[in-house]
Amino acid sequence: NAGVTQTPKFQVLKTGQSMTLQCAQDMNHNSMYWYRQDPGMGLRLIYYSASEGTTDKGEVPNGYNVSRLNKREFSLRLESAAPSQTSVYFCASSVIGPGYNEQFFGPGTRLTVL
Amino acid sequence: AQSVAQPEDQVNVAEGNPLTVKCTYSVSGNPYLFWYVQYPNRGLQFLLKYITGDNLVKGSYGFEAEFNKSQTSFHLKKPSALVSDSALYFCAVRDSNAGNMLTFGGGTRLMVKP
Repeated sequence: NAGVTQTPKFQVLKTGQSMTLQCAQDMNHNSMYWYRQDPGMGLRLIYYSASEGTTDKGEVPNGYNVSRLNKREFSLRLESAAPSQTSVYFCASSVIGPGYNEQFFGPGTRLTVL
Repeated sequence: AQSVAQPEDQVNVAEGNPLTVKCTYSVSGNPYLFWYVQYPNRGLQFLLKYITGDNLVKGSYGFEAEFNKSQTSFHLKKPSALVSDSALYFCAVRDSNAGNMLTFGGGTRLMVKP
């Protein structure tokens, strides 16, 4: 039982390049989330998927797109990376929505945009 | 709108002494409150939550938190700190009246010195 896995662990991009961050969970959770973590700002929600087939914007969705590929997988895409997107990205999952159930987090992806 | 504040960037305590990490929140409905811990280069781990019921909530690793509705606070406590408790701690809130998202505080770094 690996929990929540993320790939890659590290990535360096040039401004304007694109990339997809991958996330998978093996806990049969319905809900999945993408956050970014910046110093002193805690975690901010980018997008979430309450259940397979649905996605919703979070607090900071601009510049990102997501795909809930199936119940296990939730990917985050940067179409044209900008230096402001330099951050640590975390994927998380929960049984159902965040109000009642704790979220389980992946180890993170450290992204640098030059 | 829901919000959460962690007024201390860093808390320093000596090993064996009690510790408190502060959290205050603002919601329009009922609060659902969570504490998470982050060790270096790791994702967040769930510690405890308050949904309803007893105001004193006990969680993992000997931590507990007290929900105080009149002071809109949810401070994290431990009777006797360990050096291994040194980490980054996040408080999070969801407003029962406001959608399906958690809002995280900026985090408090706990340093426990031998």
